[in-house]
Amino acid sequence: EAEVAQSPRYKITEKSQAVAFWCDPISGHATLYWYRQILGQGPELLVQFQDESVVDDSQLPKDRFSAERLKGVDSTLKIQPAELGDSAMYLCASSLGQGNTEAFFGQGTRLTVV
Amino acid sequence: GQSLEQPSEVTAVEGAIVQINCTYQTSGFYGLSWYQQHDGGAPTFLSYNALDGLEETGRFSSFLSRSDSYGYLLLQELQMKDSASYFCAVRGSNYQLIWGAGTKLIIKP
Repeated sequence: EAEVAQSPRYKITEKSQAVAFWCDPISGHATLYWYRQILGQGPELLVQFQDESVVDDSQLPKDRFSAERLKGVDSTLKIQPAELGDSAMYLCASSLGQGNTEAFFGQGTRLTVV
Repeated sequence: GQSLEQPSEVTAVEGAIVQINCTYQTSGFYGLSWYQQHDGGAPTFLSYNALDGLEETGRFSSFLSRSDSYGYLLLQELQMKDSASYFCAVRGSNYQLIWGAGTKLIIKP
């Protein structure tokens, strides 16, 4: 069964260091989302891509976060420098298109900043 | 602003029926989705309502009233494996998904 792949599953980094997460969506899915989820809360959209273009990054802290999807397939989310408050689960999801009702999620990357 | 309200926690007994409510206030509305998330796992899609009324999928049903900006998820014949967090999410303008804070469903034997 096709699934969204994310790596790494867990990451511990020191504050002020750089960290990167990778996501490979389901083949053929044009829309890719990066979410941040703090324990006990709902996912918060960081950035949404349609193919290689950013559709929405209004909640992305652009002074330290960046995201790219250069060929419209896999995507990388980077944090530099990491702060203690960035500790969270980072979830990647994909859907066939923006209007599709179902988003498929990867298992996420659990980031701990120490 | 945009917001979704759902109860933080609901407790029910195995075999019973439980309803999880969601009210929303968003700019733009293309539909209401429900997702299930087990502890440590990823959200998985349960249902979607774009039009008013009830959608049924097995033991789960979802209802939408656009005039009331309200929906609910109904879970029947509860099983222990249904213990999880349930999120409502609205697809708003720009097609982004706006999520509620989630309802933790606790099921007792």
